Amino acid sequence: GQNIDQPTEMTATEGAIVQINCTYQTSGFNGLFWYQQHAGEAPTFLSYNVLDGLEEKGRFSSFLSRSKGYSYLLLKELQMKDSASYLCAVTDGGYNKLIFGAGTRLAVHP
Amino acid sequence: DAGITQSPRYKITETGRQVTLMCHQTWSHSYMFWYRQDLGHGLRLIYYSAAADITDKGEVPDGYVVSRSKTENFPLTLESATRSQTSVYFCASRPTSGSADEQYFGPGTRLTVT
Repeated sequence: GQNIDQPTEMTATEGAIVQINCTYQTSGFNGLFWYQQHAGEAPTFLSYNVLDGLEEKGRFSSFLSRSKGYSYLLLKELQMKDSASYLCAVTDGGYNKLIFGAGTRLAVHP
Repeated sequence: DAGITQSPRYKITETGRQVTLMCHQTWSHSYMFWYRQDLGHGLRLIYYSAAADITDKGEVPDGYVVSRSKTENFPLTLESATRSQTSVYFCASRPTSGSADEQYFGPGTRLTVT
């Protein structure tokens, strides 16, 4: 079956670094996405990993280990505007079927 | 450039009524999707469409009907609304079937079934 696990909530301090983990089980893996979703808004794309390793994009980086079914999103130099939910999603049996985790709600405080 | 829009943004309906949620995109993307988002479940795929007149079921299709007569529109119909269909509904689109192409989400429709 398919299963994605993420922590429900995390808190961090402005200027710090936070790592949001995601573990998954899926029958047909074709890639892993991270989306950001502010309260009351639509999800927006952050990153995509299909090969093992780290992908860096500005303050955000995403890591994938396919053998371990594990990914993390690393946010550096946290800002108040980074307070949002972070959604991990994996492709399942094709590029169009995304299975989403329940999301991690991150609160950044001064 | 409107991108992807949904209407209505908020809807209250009664149990048993039919309701249609609209989704329109201006990019001519091939693929379109409908998700529902509920606390504790994240986003769950209801239906998706690869092109006009081609649709397929997602994870939670029961109680929903879709159609796609034009590339830019992908309406979602609840034939007989139930309280369990109270949710936030997101429409999304993507340009191709390439693995790296992200989905672009509309602003969502908050539906309450009383």
